Amino acid sequence: DAGVTQSPTHLIKTRGQQVTLRCSPKSGHDTVSWYQQALGQGPQFIFQYYEEEERQRGNFPDRFSGHQFPNYSSELNVNALLLGDSALYLCASSPGPSGVYEQYFGPGTRLTVT
Amino acid sequence: RKEVEQDPGPFNVPEGATVAFNCTYSNSASQSFFWYRQDCRKEPKLLMSVYSSGNEDGRFTAQLNRASQYISLLIRDSKLSDSATYLCVAYNNNDMRFGAGTRLTVKP
Repeated sequence: DAGVTQSPTHLIKTRGQQVTLRCSPKSGHDTVSWYQQALGQGPQFIFQYYEEEERQRGNFPDRFSGHQFPNYSSELNVNALLLGDSALYLCASSPGPSGVYEQYFGPGTRLTVT
Repeated sequence: RKEVEQDPGPFNVPEGATVAFNCTYSNSASQSFFWYRQDCRKEPKLLMSVYSSGNEDGRFTAQLNRASQYISLLIRDSKLSDSATYLCVAYNNNDMRFGAGTRLTVKP
């Protein structure tokens, strides 16, 4: 049983560029949440997707957008990258939007903006 | 003020020691609470949920005090493998708020 997978593992982008990160949830999970973790900080909630819709959003600008596909996989898009967007981006899946007791994280994508 | 605040650490303890981490949360509407463990350059993994009555899982004991909006984690008989960052989490309405984490190093 594959857990949560994310791609790519690492990414280097230049300021102003756009990036797309991908996540496949754990088998049996239909809800995907995205987090940003800066160095030395805890993960910060970006948004959650369920039934292909954004259900909840944290305090992140509109440059951060996402999508969920019918197979429950998800993408995170960040436009007009800033140096401050450099972080580890974590995807977490759960069985339903309130399935926090069974939330599993993927290994993350480490984004560096230069 | 951050919604979830933790002891900054780092905690450096010898094997076999007992160590306690504290955490406070500011949103009184928070419904559920968790402790996650995160190893260096790895993803967070759920360690245990925290209940008002307190709960224990082997060497780990978690306590919640809703009146004081305070959560704790006690680790007894520390092992080298317990070395990690411990993240406190408060959950409300599909929004999980993580603390910045407390780093623990267990030394031989």
